[in-house]
Amino acid sequence: QKEVEQNSGPLSVPEGAIASLNCTYSDRVSQSFFWYRQYSGKSPELIMSIYSNGDKEDGRFTAQLNKASQYVSLLIRDSQPSDSATYLCAVIGPSGNTPLVFGKGTRLSVIA
Amino acid sequence: DAGVIQSPRHEVTEMGQEVTLRCKPISGHNSLFWYRQTMMRGLELLIYFNNNVPIDDSGMPEDRFSAKMPNASFSTLKIQPSEPRDSAVYFCASSDGQANSPLHFGNGTRLTVT
Repeated sequence: QKEVEQNSGPLSVPEGAIASLNCTYSDRVSQSFFWYRQYSGKSPELIMSIYSNGDKEDGRFTAQLNKASQYVSLLIRDSQPSDSATYLCAVIGPSGNTPLVFGKGTRLSVIA
Repeated sequence: DAGVIQSPRHEVTEMGQEVTLRCKPISGHNSLFWYRQTMMRGLELLIYFNNNVPIDDSGMPEDRFSAKMPNASFSTLKIQPSEPRDSAVYFCASSDGQANSPLHFGNGTRLTVT
């Protein structure tokens, strides 16, 4: 049974700071990793994907993957109040075709 | 592209009643997923289809739940009879079925069973 663990938060950061969101997963052969953002009352939307060890940057967002430690993180630079949402970490198995397994999410609050 | 379309957006029903949730995936997507989200358990996969065929329904909580996909553009999730513990937001998502493809979610159906 694949498990994806996240701190539920809330994680509060001041506007302009770096928000760091963390995720661990149990299945060592997991292949691909995704970060979804979910605003209250809305559906999850994909913001980042990462498949290889190291960092991947997209604008203010950086995803970091360490497969040896079974750890994936999301950094949000220059945090804005509009970044306040729940961030869901999701993992897919080795074949790449199994459904996503989601963590319960970390609630981020950016204080103006 | 209209995205994944779910209906209804909200459903309030009494315990024991039948509930049917509907989903239209993105045109051309051949994989469809039903998830349920609650505060306690987060997003849980209920069932998924590839090319209209159910692949894994191990997440369906009980026999009261059933899902169908009669064609590539329509799926239903039925709960009969409904119970208060079924109250949750039910999301339908689709993907193009390629390896590592992300999911595209519908707006969800918020179900309340009283």
